[in-house]
Amino acid sequence: EAGVAQSPRYKIIEKRQSVAFWCNPISGHATLYWYQQILGQGPKLLIQFQNNGVVDDSQLPKDRFSAERLKGVDSTLKIQPAKLEDSAVYLCASSLERGIWETQYFGPGTRLLVL
Amino acid sequence: AQKITQTQPGMFVQEKEAVTLDCTYDTSDQSYGLFWYKQPSSGEMIFLIYQGSYDEQNATEGRYSLNFQKARKSANLVISASQLGDSAMYFCAMRGRYSSASKIIFGSGTRLSIRP
Repeated sequence: EAGVAQSPRYKIIEKRQSVAFWCNPISGHATLYWYQQILGQGPKLLIQFQNNGVVDDSQLPKDRFSAERLKGVDSTLKIQPAKLEDSAVYLCASSLERGIWETQYFGPGTRLLVL
Repeated sequence: AQKITQTQPGMFVQEKEAVTLDCTYDTSDQSYGLFWYKQPSSGEMIFLIYQGSYDEQNATEGRYSLNFQKARKSANLVISASQLGDSAMYFCAMRGRYSSASKIIFGSGTRLSIRP
């Protein structure tokens, strides 16, 4: 079974530029998550989708971050415009459903550096 | 509000020894799940073990076991017979029931280093 795919793996941009990340979850997984992991910290949930609907986006900085999962499969996360403090690893994860017992499976992450 | 606390920023352990990584949590939910993940230097998060709040038995997965003490709100990870490949960051995580506003939260992690 293929795992969670993410691209690109690395991205370097200058502040005020835009950037987009792509995620393809494990086949059949209804729930998709985007996390931000700043160096030295644990992952922080940005947004959670159930199929193509948003379940939780309370920690997404909506003035600059947006995410979509139009067909309930793959997803994109966009930052526009980027700030220096957005430098982090962006992790995508998926799970079959969103019960408390559901294990999340993570992709390799996208390392973003904002200069 | 939910909270996960990992009080050990770093630990050094001799190969083949057992090690316990601490995790305490706070939640108002009656039902919740506790997870441990391993993050090697390559960056991917690897699921290790799960414990449900209503599970009476402590979870075990191979060399990993979870010492779950519900009254103390602790969910410590025990790794038996540590190996060099166990050197990594370890994160404790919790998720509340999906119908509530509970978020999925991670602790700040513990960096485990295994000495040969």
